[in-house]
Amino acid sequence: DGGITQSPKYLFRKEGQNVTLSCEQNLNHDAMYWYRQDPGQGLRLIYYSQIVNDFQKGDIAEGYSVSREKKESFPLTVTSAQKNPTAFYLCASSIDWGRNQPQHFGDGTRLSIL
Amino acid sequence: DAKTTQPNSMESNEEEPVHLPCNHSTISGTDYIHWYRQLPSQGPEYVIHGLTSNVNNRMASLAIAEDRKSSTLILHRATLRDAAVYYCILRDQTNQGGKLIFGQGTELSVKP
Repeated sequence: DGGITQSPKYLFRKEGQNVTLSCEQNLNHDAMYWYRQDPGQGLRLIYYSQIVNDFQKGDIAEGYSVSREKKESFPLTVTSAQKNPTAFYLCASSIDWGRNQPQHFGDGTRLSIL
Repeated sequence: DAKTTQPNSMESNEEEPVHLPCNHSTISGTDYIHWYRQLPSQGPEYVIHGLTSNVNNRMASLAIAEDRKSSTLILHRATLRDAAVYYCILRDQTNQGGKLIFGQGTELSVKP
């Protein structure tokens, strides 16, 4: 079945460590997104990519980095500069960047600090 | 960005219809109205979207007011699996139109 796969489901980070969250899609979608969700809150956009080899900062990009070298992959690195990384991270994709296109989400990665 | 207002929570009985309201009084003529829902510990799931006319799909119906300042998501027969947080989102024509801006949403509980 086509869909979005995020891994791992749970991740623990030590102080000063960078960690990378994986996001893969086999929907042949051009656009991909990373969101962060804190408890009891809505989602906030971290980074987005409208097409392969291109990406843009979202509303809360500080302390995060991404790459989009392949159409199907959009990994997110949480760097040591992100001082409050504990959250639920969600990856999404859509056919394109258009405002009438639904976004399809993965099941998320829950990141905690050791 | 145009904003939406939803009730914080609603209750429904199983197998009864549910009407989830959303106010968006500052909507512009080209904003799309999208609905997503999120079950606990899962990613959001697309439900339905529309521009001006009412829309139906296998999951729900979307009723849009004639002046477009409000809309209602209709679940025709609620099941226990419909218990979730429902988000009403406007998407505009600017370059930022691709992103979803999530508010607090409506937490729907369904009683057996």
